[in-house]
Amino acid sequence: SQKIEQNSEALNIQEGKTATLTCNYTNYSPAYLQWYRQDPGRGPVFLLLIRENEKEKRKERLKVTFDTTLKQSLFHITASQPADSATYLCALDDTGGFKTIFGAGTRLFVKA
Amino acid sequence: DSGVTQTPKHLITATGQRVTLRCSPRSGDLSVYWYQQSLDQGLQFLIQYYNGEERAKGNILERFSAQQFPDLHSELNLSSLELGDSALYFCASSVEMGGAEAFFGQGTRLTVV
Repeated sequence: SQKIEQNSEALNIQEGKTATLTCNYTNYSPAYLQWYRQDPGRGPVFLLLIRENEKEKRKERLKVTFDTTLKQSLFHITASQPADSATYLCALDDTGGFKTIFGAGTRLFVKA
Repeated sequence: DSGVTQTPKHLITATGQRVTLRCSPRSGDLSVYWYQQSLDQGLQFLIQYYNGEERAKGNILERFSAQQFPDLHSELNLSSLELGDSALYFCASSVEMGGAEAFFGQGTRLTVV
């Protein structure tokens, strides 16, 4: 069956450290993968998109990697801040890009 | 502000009733997506429209239907409501059919009592 798996347990880290979140998928062949941030009761906010022919993408303190062999994406937040505390969702395309399917998300808590 | 407008923000209704959720996409976006998010659940894809035509369907119940109008706004109709339909319903829009970032509205919180 098709699955997108993200760490269900919350990730707790100290301010200033690097947070690394994992997204694994099974039985998908996505052309691209996206990461979103969601705060409680609010809509997800787009962060980064990486295509299948890209290994890594960066935006300010954010870095995403995409390994189509391992079927895995890693999302890094460097120099993390308490304001980075949120749920982070990975999403990938299905059915030729018409459907964007989301993982359940990982909650990140950054302690001051 | 994402530019995607959803109304109403909150809706409380009784079981068996029918409701309509409305979404106005960002200016220029042709794709509209609907998602359901139950308490502590992930975003479940319901349906996608592109320029007025249905393009993809997820696990959308037969009691639910949607459409996208010529002015590109979209409506999600939920009928014969059950307690389990209580959830946040999000609309998102993007420029393309896929492979582009999606902009989400603030959601409609539906409570069925």
